[in-house]
This record gives sequence, structure tokens and C-alpha cells, in this order.
Amino acid sequence: SYVLTQPPSASVAAGQTATITCGGDKLGSKSVHWYQQKPGQAPLLVIYYDRDRPSGIPERFSGSTSGNTATLTINKVEAGDEADYYCQVWDSDSDHAIFGGGTNLTVL
Amino acid sequence: QVQLQESGPGLVKPSETLSLTCTVSGASIGSGSNYWTWIRQPAGRGLEWIGRKYGGDITYYNSSLRSRVFMSLEKSKNQFSLRLESVTAEDTAVYFCAGGPSGVALLNWGQGILVTVSS
Repeated sequence: SYVLTQPPSASVAAGQTATITCGGDKLGSKSVHWYQQKPGQAPLLVIYYDRDRPSGIPERFSGSTSGNTATLTINKVEAGDEADYYCQVWDSDSDHAIFGGGTNLTVL
Repeated sequence: QVQLQESGPGLVKPSETLSLTCTVSGASIGSGSNYWTWIRQPAGRGLEWIGRKYGGDITYYNSSLRSRVFMSLEKSKNQFSLRLESVTAEDTAVYFCAGGPSGVALLNWGQGILVTVSS
């Protein structure tokens, strides 16, 4: 089955730029979606179809893909961005939604 | 604005059936343009996709659960349901329902419901 790989943790100083990666075989041929999840809350879609932002998501959040890696970038990180971030794709070979293992972002 | 709310028992005995309902407002369950999904998350762990049902009755299940899981639409009540049979402690998790016009990017989520499998 298809696997998405994320680093388990990342840290960034407030005001700096955070980058969270997501790796998968031929990931560039799939559409990648990103979710933010704070403790005790449901996930929140922050990026869909690689780089689009849902209404209400700050422009500080952006996404990109290159080759086998997708990247979520958060500019001017704020304390409120501290959360778990998950990447996700729809694998059309198996007709499954696949989530990465998640990255816990700490804001220093 | 689409809103979803999970409901059901918070405690299920081993070997019994877990049954949850997701009540939807702001969108039609029966619309052929909407998708309805269940996801779960064991404590301290990541998200696991359970399955997706399309308003037109096309359903996909996680292959690891396919022999035990069933999703249905209750169009008259604008609800969709999850049934997971023969549960074990490994099925203990927060269960989320999600839905909307995309079957691949999950825009709208319920708040989640904790289901514990224990005798």
C-alpha cells in the first residue's frame, strides 16, 4: 500500500519560516492535501490540491511539490501554529485516502 | 456552511458492534456531488482513513477493515452511519466524520467522538 513519510517533529522560532516535508513514491503525480490538528480538536484543512488555501486560512500557509516530496511552508510562524500537521493523498490505485504519520511542530 | 456532528455510544464491549452516526447540516446527504468519510485516531497516534461513501452509493473501505466495516446513508434524516463489527481494544479511538464536495480533500469535519472498547 502507498506510504507517505513525514518527520515526526520539527521546531522553529516564532517569526521564522517552518517547512514540513512529506515524501512518497511518485508523489508529484498525486494531489497533496495538508491538515493542521491542535490538541483535542478535529483536523483543519490548510492546503488542498498541493497549493490552494481554503477560505479563512492565512496566506502565511503555502504548499508545493517537487518530485517525490511535498512541502508545507508556514511563514512568520506564530505561537498559535503549534500543532500536528498531516499530509494526505488519494491513492487511485487502491481507492484509499492515505495520511502521513504527522509532524509535531513546536514553536520556540 | 457545512456542519457535522458524531453521535453514538462511547463504550463498546469487545466482540460487539460499534455503531456511530454523523448528522449533517448545510449540505444534502443524498446529493450526488457530496462525499462522506469516516476517519479514526487512536490516542497519541495518527489519522487512519476508514472509508468513504459517495452520495451516489459508491463506497470505498480501508482494506484493513473491509471485512468488518459498513457505511450507510440515512437520507431522510440527513445522516450517515458507520458500523464496525467484532471490535477489539485496537478499535479504541476518536472517530471523526468528514464530508463535502471533495472526496479527496476533507474540508468539513465533525468534532470527533471517543469510543472505548472495553468490558
